[in-house]
Parts: sequence; structure tokens; C-alpha cells
Amino acid sequence: GENVEQHPSTLSVQEGDSAVIKCTYSDSASNYFPWYKQELGKGPQLIIDIRSNVGEKKDQRIAVTLNKTAKHFSLHITETQPEDSAVYFCAATPLGGSQGNLIFGKGTKLSVKP
Amino acid sequence: ETGVTQSPTHLIKTRGQQVTLRCSSQSGHNTVSWYQQALGQGPQFIFQYYREEENGRGNFPPRFSGLQFPNYSSELNVNALELDDSALYLCASSSSWRGEQFFGPGTRLTVL
Repeated sequence: GENVEQHPSTLSVQEGDSAVIKCTYSDSASNYFPWYKQELGKGPQLIIDIRSNVGEKKDQRIAVTLNKTAKHFSLHITETQPEDSAVYFCAATPLGGSQGNLIFGKGTKLSVKP
Repeated sequence: ETGVTQSPTHLIKTRGQQVTLRCSSQSGHNTVSWYQQALGQGPQFIFQYYREEENGRGNFPPRFSGLQFPNYSSELNVNALELDDSALYLCASSSSWRGEQFFGPGTRLTVL
């Protein structure tokens, strides 16, 4: 079945710096790749997603890139702010799954130091 | 627009008991997925309900079961609770024609 690896597990940056989180997936048939932000005591919040017919997508300070050949996708956060501190999860849909059947990475704890 | 809501917020049970968790989907959504999130891990897919039918299941035993109602709200039932069932249980809803999953705040289940 699908397997999603996420790196790094923790990331500490200074306010204003950029942060990059990388994920790889195993199932070449996966075609939907969302990113979620989870703050302490809350459910995951969808922050951006990308589909397999697109190589890059941006939304203000957040961007996601997808390399289907290499089976990896990345989250880029520019001009980080303390409120960006949270755990970030990548996910992918496995072969035959609806887009509700998401396989998640183990998460990256991002700390932004003021 | 009302978001995804879950109840209760926290729950403590003892081993062997049964538990029912509830989820109300976001307005306009007809699909509900349930996930289990152990401490320090990513969410794991339990199952999905679409139009009151189970529409996919992850690697969870049959003692995890669910229901979806005509108003698209959903229940997750877990029988014969085990200590390893202690986790945050998340519900996510989506519109069947869009892929975006919107999560509720979760129910924290502790099994003693």
C-alpha cells in the first residue's frame, strides 16, 4: 500500500527565514497531495493542496511543489512568523482510494523563533 | 457556514467497554471520514462514509464500526476497548465532488 515519508521531524527557524518540509510517497498512482497544519489541541487544518497535473501551487507565503517522476512533494513557507509554529503533515491518496482516504506522513514540528 | 463538529471533547473509558463518538459534517458535505491519531503520529484512516454507506476502510479490526445518517452526520463505535485505542479521533468531511477534507477538533479518548 501507499507509504508517505516526511522529513525533517523537527525544524527550527528564525522569524523571517524560509522553511521547507519534504515528503516522498511510494504509490505512483497517487494523485492528490494536501498539506495540513495542526496546532496544539486542534484538528488538522488544510493549508494547501496540489493535484498530479500541476507542478507548483502558491498561496501567499505558502507554496507546494510536486515531482511525480521522483515521487516527492515539498512545502515551502517564506517569511515565517511565530504563528506559523505548529505540526505540519503531508498526505497522499493511495491507489483506488477516494480523496477521503488519505495516508499521512508522521509530521514536522516547526518552531519559529522571534 | 458551520464547520465540522465532534462530541464529546474528551472521554475516559476502561478496557473492555464500548464507546460512541459523534461527528456533524460541514454544511453542504455528504462524505465523512474517520481517522485515529496516536500521540506524536499522523492521522490513520479508519473508514469513510458516503451517502450512508461505508466507502473504504483502513487497516482497523471489525470492532471499529460506523454509521452515517440521512443528515450526513456520523458515528464511530468502538467495542471491546483496548489500551492501544487511546488516541485522538478525528472526523473529516468533504463534498463528494471536491477533494478537500476539513477536519473537526477531535475527541480525545483515554482507555484505562
